[in-house]
Amino acid sequence: KNEVEQSPQNLTAQEGEFITINCSYSVGISALHWLQQHPGGGIVSLFMLSSGKKKHGRLIATINIQEKHSSLHITASHPRDSAVYICALTGNQFYFGTGTSLTVIP
Amino acid sequence: EAQVTQNPRYLITVTGKKLTVTCSQNMNHEYMSWYRQDPGLGLRQIYYSMNVEVTDKGDVPEGYKVSRKEKRNFPLILESPSPNQTSLYFCASSLWGQGPRISPLHFGNGTRLTVT
Repeated sequence: KNEVEQSPQNLTAQEGEFITINCSYSVGISALHWLQQHPGGGIVSLFMLSSGKKKHGRLIATINIQEKHSSLHITASHPRDSAVYICALTGNQFYFGTGTSLTVIP
Repeated sequence: EAQVTQNPRYLITVTGKKLTVTCSQNMNHEYMSWYRQDPGLGLRQIYYSMNVEVTDKGDVPEGYKVSRKEKRNFPLILESPSPNQTSLYFCASSLWGQGPRISPLHFGNGTRLTVT
């Protein structure tokens, strides 16, 4: 069962590039979360959204409920953005994507 | 400070030796859960709990036990660990009501378990 699909699985970018990570899902949800996990580190919540768009610094998250799709954008990427980004859903339980591993090269 | 406290951070043990990983949250969250994270497989749910004395199996419950005697604590017990349980484990908590409530997931810092 793949309730949550993320793409791409791996992504390498040059510093300064605009980055997009996608998340598609197949279940009804009340909220979608974007999580960040640095190498060897814990998992932190970046965004929680149920509609529209949210922005925090250089990070922007959007969701289209009708299309069951969300995107995470990083503007002016920096090496410290290198991490695994995980899409998670609040449905009748929590569902997780397998993550997108991002490497930003100086 | 609102947090999920997980201990220990690192644990090396031998096959068959019972162990417990503790998880405690100070946010009065109803929902608590355990996940294991393995390369290429993402986060997989082991067990979850909607409230005190209510626990349910997740996707990979075999070889694990949990209990929820108090709202703040949700320990993960491996009665007889095996090498295939070597993994990175995370505890998480969130608000939960009659159904899911829109609330961030809070994660512990993880426990890296090695079973030899």
